[in-house]
Amino acid sequence: DIQMTQSPSSLSASVGDRVTITCRASQGIRSGLGWFQQKPGKAPKRLINEASSLQSGVPSRFSGSGSGTEFTLTISSLQPDDFATYYCLQYKTFPFTFGGGTKVEIK
Amino acid sequence: EVQLVESGGGLVQPGGSLTLSCAASGLTFSDHYMEWVRQAPGKGLEWVGRSRNKANRYTTEYAASVKGRFTLSRGDSENSLYLQMTSLKTEDTAVYFCTTKIDSPDQMSWGQGTLVTVSS
Repeated sequence: DIQMTQSPSSLSASVGDRVTITCRASQGIRSGLGWFQQKPGKAPKRLINEASSLQSGVPSRFSGSGSGTEFTLTISSLQPDDFATYYCLQYKTFPFTFGGGTKVEIK
Repeated sequence: EVQLVESGGGLVQPGGSLTLSCAASGLTFSDHYMEWVRQAPGKGLEWVGRSRNKANRYTTEYAASVKGRFTLSRGDSENSLYLQMTSLKTEDTAVYFCTTKIDSPDQMSWGQGTLVTVSS
């Protein structure tokens, strides 16, 4: 199975900060990666597909980059609504595998 | 608008069985791949399995942790996806989410989830 190592596992940031979350795949997955946001008690929401394709309705402060084994999710200017847990998911190969998550908290 | 509504969760003893349902509306169900994702209490997300669409003969894929114990099926006339779970273990305790194709370029939909608790 492909292992997805996500870092950091948590971070504290202030409104307006630039935030970067990284996912590393144990083997190459080309661009087969999505990023998800989850708030407590809610279903996840997909933000980005194919490593860098922003989903309709997702604010442009979110961006994704990378291919192969290294991927990043960047929030250019953190907003109050962005405090949540973020997950990456590889879907290049079965079984699909999620990263361990990054909890973004208010500083 | 696509809506997915899970049901069938509850308390079951280790070794027992349970079947979850996901009722879909707002889409031509037989055209769509469907998936299950779960989340143990306080833990991260885990992909459980995929049911392909009618054009792909409803073939399935499973996570290693559930393969041989869980079975995905569909009732296209009822617009429903099912997850039959057998030989349940305490580590299967989780909220189970039904989703549309998780890697689709189109908008993806999730249900609200249903809680399965495996405990004696």
